[in-house]
Amino acid sequence: SQQGEEDPQALSIQEGENATMNCSYKTSINNLQWYRQNSGRGLVHLILIRSNEREKHSGRLRVTLDTSKKSSSLLITASRAADTASYFCYGQNFVFGPGTRLSVLP
Amino acid sequence: EAQVTQNPRYLITVTGKKLTVTCSQNMNHEYMSWYRQDPGLGLRQIYYSMNVEVTDKGDVPEGYKVSRKEKRNFPLILESPSPNQTSLYFCASSLTQGVIQYFGAGTRLSVL
Repeated sequence: SQQGEEDPQALSIQEGENATMNCSYKTSINNLQWYRQNSGRGLVHLILIRSNEREKHSGRLRVTLDTSKKSSSLLITASRAADTASYFCYGQNFVFGPGTRLSVLP
Repeated sequence: EAQVTQNPRYLITVTGKKLTVTCSQNMNHEYMSWYRQDPGLGLRQIYYSMNVEVTDKGDVPEGYKVSRKEKRNFPLILESPSPNQTSLYFCASSLTQGVIQYFGAGTRLSVL
């Protein structure tokens, strides 16, 4: 199966800063989803953006999608220590990649 | 409460001793899948099921079996576990393929 690719692999920021991570994929999609995984736990769905949408917001999360470039970005604003986790993208026709490990330092 | 329940959460076993990891969902979802997660490799899909009695191989099916006799249950069977199956396993379910997935808490398996 095609795999999504998150970038960067790891990201360290200070509390209060914004965190941006990217996802690239190679297939056509109907939607793209972002998930969060706290250390060793099950993934939790964060946000879904449909292929006809360019941007979507949910609380401190902002997701963009560019289907022409086959890429998406997840922005977490005003990050908190509790945002420390791994983040994954997923689509109907591609599977999870290695994820982005985000560390938010107090 | 909507949930996916996996059991056991932790399991230590020895090579060759058959084991089953159970997965149950209470959301009437059609689609269920099993993943394994290893450091640096993300989640790799082992098997998935589109509905009752319909299962198919994912990317890493070797050494695993599944069954889907009822909609809510999707057990993962390791008939002869080997050390390279030591991993963190997740079951997930969704209404259909490609929509929001709900994950279990995970099963950490060690095969000695």
